[in-house]
Amino acid sequence: NAGVTQTPKFRILKIGQSMTLQCTQDMNHNYMYWYRQDPGMGLKLIYYSVGAGITDKGEVPNGYNVSRSTTEDFPLRLELAAPSQTSVYFCASRPGQDSVETQYFGPGTRLLVL
Amino acid sequence: RKEVEQDPGPFNVPEGATVAFNCTYSNSASQSFFWYRQDCRKEPKLLMSVYSSGNEDGRFTAQLNRASQYISLLIRDSKLSDSATYLCVVNNPTSGNTPLVFGKGTRLSVIA
Repeated sequence: NAGVTQTPKFRILKIGQSMTLQCTQDMNHNYMYWYRQDPGMGLKLIYYSVGAGITDKGEVPNGYNVSRSTTEDFPLRLELAAPSQTSVYFCASRPGQDSVETQYFGPGTRLLVL
Repeated sequence: RKEVEQDPGPFNVPEGATVAFNCTYSNSASQSFFWYRQDCRKEPKLLMSVYSSGNEDGRFTAQLNRASQYISLLIRDSKLSDSATYLCVVNNPTSGNTPLVFGKGTRLSVIA
């Protein structure tokens, strides 16, 4: 299994541009998450999904959109990039709601908005 | 009170030292507890789960005190390769479908 994969690894955007961060998992996990992590800071939850067709907002959803058309894929969309969105973005997945299950993270996408 | 609180550090220790990290959580209904490790510019990875009776994995020992809502991680005989940020993670059953809450992490630097 490849686990959780993310593309691209690094991207530079100009203010106002849009882009989609891709996330795919091959573990057949129901739950998927998007986090951002600013330098020296903790993880902040942007959006999450408990299954195909179901998404919900996390702590910091403004400026982002998500979709979950399949179990495997959970793309994150930035419509109008702003310098405040410069961050490292991590996607994660988890089997289900069983409390003993932990989360697996992708390698991250570094985004710089200039 | 924050859901999961950790001392941010940094903890600077010499090789071979023993170091302990503490974490407190606010939700008494929490059922599962984990320690993650995050290397610089990398994703968080599971280090170990924390069991009620305490558990050990090599040089690493995790303890849970439910009465005090307190979790600890002890690292013995520190190695240079232990330098990383250690995240305390707790499940939050009252948060619906987003049960895992991550602390901000404690940074450890092991010095030669």
